[in-house]
Amino acid sequence: DAGVTQSPTHLIKTRGQQVTLRCSPKSGHDTVSWYQQALGQGPQFIFQYYEEEERQRGNFPDRFSGHQFPNYSSELNVNALLLGDSALYLCASSLQDREVSFGQGTRLTVV
Amino acid sequence: GEDVEQSLFLSVREGDSSVINCTYTDSSSTYLYWYKQEPGAGLQLLTYIFSNMDMKQDQRLTVLLNKKDKHLSLRIADTQTGDSAIYFCAESTTDSWGKLQFGAGTQVVVTP
Repeated sequence: DAGVTQSPTHLIKTRGQQVTLRCSPKSGHDTVSWYQQALGQGPQFIFQYYEEEERQRGNFPDRFSGHQFPNYSSELNVNALLLGDSALYLCASSLQDREVSFGQGTRLTVV
Repeated sequence: GEDVEQSLFLSVREGDSSVINCTYTDSSSTYLYWYKQEPGAGLQLLTYIFSNMDMKQDQRLTVLLNKKDKHLSLRIADTQTGDSAIYFCAESTTDSWGKLQFGAGTQVVVTP
């Protein structure tokens, strides 16, 4: 049974560019959340999708947007990249509010 | 400041028990989680406990929850070198439905 899978694993982008990160949830999970983890810190919640709608949002600017597809997979889009957006981006899936499982993350470097 | 707090570092000898502590502030917590993160990797779900439970045991792991003091602990029995990692506790609450609030993480170093 595959867990949460994310792609790509690593990405290097130039300041001002746009990036799309992808996530497939664990089988049986219907809710997808995205987190940003800066070096040496705990993950910070970006937003959560359930039934293809953004259900909750953390304290992140509108440059961060997302989408959930009918098969529960999800994308995170970041526009107008800043150097400070360099981080590990983690996707988490859950069955509503239970058993929150994380993927291996996408390491984004903005240069 | 952080709603979830953890000590930053723990050193333990191989074979001993490790105890990692966490305090949280929100009395409406529903689930409390423990995750393990190795260098360059994502978060591995170790265990989680529903807020109406006092204890949960899973092989070498024991979670204790004191709701009155808002204190959560993770005990790892017979600690091995492969247990060296950063451990995060996290909580979700009734009004945040699966949105996790994390502590800063506890780095556990296991020495031979």
